Amino acid sequence: NAGVTQTPKFRVLKTGQSMTLLCAQDMNHEYMYWYRQDPGMGLRLIHYSVGEGTTAKGEVPDGYNVSRLKKQNFLLGLESAAPSQTSVYFCASSRGRREENEQFFGPGTRLTVL
Amino acid sequence: DAKTTQPTSMDCAEGRAANLPCNHSTISGNEYVYWYRQIHSQGPQYIIHGLKNNETNEMASLIITEDRKSSTLILPHATLRDTAVYYCIVRVKDSGYALNFGKGTSLLVTP
Repeated sequence: NAGVTQTPKFRVLKTGQSMTLLCAQDMNHEYMYWYRQDPGMGLRLIHYSVGEGTTAKGEVPDGYNVSRLKKQNFLLGLESAAPSQTSVYFCASSRGRREENEQFFGPGTRLTVL
Repeated sequence: DAKTTQPTSMDCAEGRAANLPCNHSTISGNEYVYWYRQIHSQGPQYIIHGLKNNETNEMASLIITEDRKSSTLILPHATLRDTAVYYCIVRVKDSGYALNFGKGTSLLVTP
């Protein structure tokens, strides 16, 4: 049982390049989330999904797109990377609608945009 | 959304109890209080949550005041490995029950 895994762990991009971050969970969770964390700050929600085939915007969605084609995977895409997107990206998952379900986090992807 | 207020930083001696306070004066009746921690730059780790009653698990205890406007996370015997940023979060239904992280409390456990 690997929990929540993220690929890649580190990445350096040039401005304007694109990339996709992959989040996978093996706990059969319905809900998945993408957060970003800037230095000295708490995590901020980018996008989330409440089930396979569904996605919704969070607090800071601009410049990102997401897809949830399979229940176990949640992809975060950057179409044209900007230096402001330099951050640590965390994926999380939880069981379902009951708000008392805890979220499980991945180890993070450290992205630098030059 | 109910907002939380935490001290920026706290110190605690190893082996002593660490008491981390949190104010959430605008909390609604059906909103849970969650505590997570983040060690260095790892992914946040769930600690405990509660609604009205005090809660205890193998990691910590959560004391919620009767009016639910504040709570305290207690680490009964802090170790050096408990040095981390601790987040008090009121979880709401919006955004798929996503967690609204503030800046948290940076706890330093000293030898």
